[in-house]
Amino acid sequence: GAGVSQSPRYKVAKRGQDVALRCDPISGHVSLFWYQQALGQGPEFLTYFQNEAQLDKSGLPSDRFFAERPEGSVSTLKIQRTQQEDSAVYLCASSLTPASGRETQYFGPGTRLLVL
Amino acid sequence: AQKITQTQPGMFVQEKEAVTLDCTYDTSDQSYGLFWYKQPSSGEMIFLIYQGSYDEQNATEGRYSLNFQKARKSANLVISASQLGDSAMYFCAMRGPGGYQKVTFGIGTKLQVIP
Repeated sequence: GAGVSQSPRYKVAKRGQDVALRCDPISGHVSLFWYQQALGQGPEFLTYFQNEAQLDKSGLPSDRFFAERPEGSVSTLKIQRTQQEDSAVYLCASSLTPASGRETQYFGPGTRLLVL
Repeated sequence: AQKITQTQPGMFVQEKEAVTLDCTYDTSDQSYGLFWYKQPSSGEMIFLIYQGSYDEQNATEGRYSLNFQKARKSANLVISASQLGDSAMYFCAMRGPGGYQKVTFGIGTKLQVIP
């Protein structure tokens, strides 16, 4: 079956603009994660969903960042009033089971966001 | 707090040779999991191997093996018989106790395989 897909793959936004990044996880996967990867760095955890419930949003850097997964499948990461420091690759990952430690996360190709 | 340290920004290896990528970690938890991911230039993270803190044997997956030294808090990745397609960024990562969803990644090591 298909892997995790993300859209758009590239997004250029003017500072102050709102953006929405979409993630389509693998069908049937319970867990969904968002990560932010700055240039030259490893991914940093943003938030975690188990089905439609957002169980951990401790990594969201500010209240300008908002994520949702209303029907427990597709997820959207929204960034309001974008700033230059938001420029990064945003990675989405999903896993079959609730996060427990051993399960494998499958990553999408990422959305590269550039804020001018 | 959990921390992953990868001290090799870049590594070169001759095709068909073995290479070791270093990873040390810091945690006060007794139960945790360690992962290695590969990130080619296309951007997606590809899972390679997993080691649980209570696993008695070192994990192996094909040409990948994880040299787990718990007392030293190290989890080095060994790639045997390197191939040109192994050229990529490699990230070491750690997850805390069961039910703790946050995964902490290192800064990565760029591996280049030379023909």
